[in-house]
Amino acid sequence: QKEVEQDPGPLSVPEGAIVSLNCTYSNSAFQYFMWYRQYSRKGPELLMYTYSSGNKEDGRFTAQVDKSSKYISLFIRDSQPSDSATYLCAMSVMDSSYKLIFGSGTRLLVRP
Amino acid sequence: GAGVSQSPSNKVTEKGKDVELRCDPISGHTALYWYRQRLGQGLEFLIYFQGNSAPDKSGLPSDRFSAERTGESVSTLTIQRTQQEDSAVYLCASSSRGLAGTHAEETQYFGPGTRLLVL
Repeated sequence: QKEVEQDPGPLSVPEGAIVSLNCTYSNSAFQYFMWYRQYSRKGPELLMYTYSSGNKEDGRFTAQVDKSSKYISLFIRDSQPSDSATYLCAMSVMDSSYKLIFGSGTRLLVRP
Repeated sequence: GAGVSQSPSNKVTEKGKDVELRCDPISGHTALYWYRQRLGQGLEFLIYFQGNSAPDKSGLPSDRFSAERTGESVSTLTIQRTQQEDSAVYLCASSSRGLAGTHAEETQYFGPGTRLLVL
């Protein structure tokens, strides 16, 4: 079983829809949670990070962490065609390296 | 300012040959990471450098893989006797961890990657 599970999609939604992306994890020691966006043939770009359970909002994006359920989510409001990309969740233990453990990514397509 | 840069952007090699991949981190970033991304998959951690400390090599898949970093600057990842299963995108990331004592410094910034194809 992978430490981080993520539905690969693809997820296809119409422009303006609310998108919900999710990951589950098995390691209760994870304390640092991130969402990255990756366009085709580009490196991952950080969208949001959080250290605690609860919600964090940044513009159209909201990150949610539920440590009791080992479940994290990313919500995208008013989705745009430019949001079409692969979304990767990542997490780490607060140890000496903070190496990231990634989900496999969810491919999102926002249709105009 | 300039982000993380990697070279070459693409590399095609024959099975059995050695390859060397280069990463230039963001200036001033003390931490440097290498990850591998196979087609359609998430990133796998390979190795981590922090200042003059011993690197964390726990993610290297075999002894054919090695990496070096000169101080807090350029890093090279070397794959010896390449195999077809080594074909992947190799990504480098850097962070400023340890400089300011804040959580934000743990953010890893990624380069565009080197796409390696072993024939």
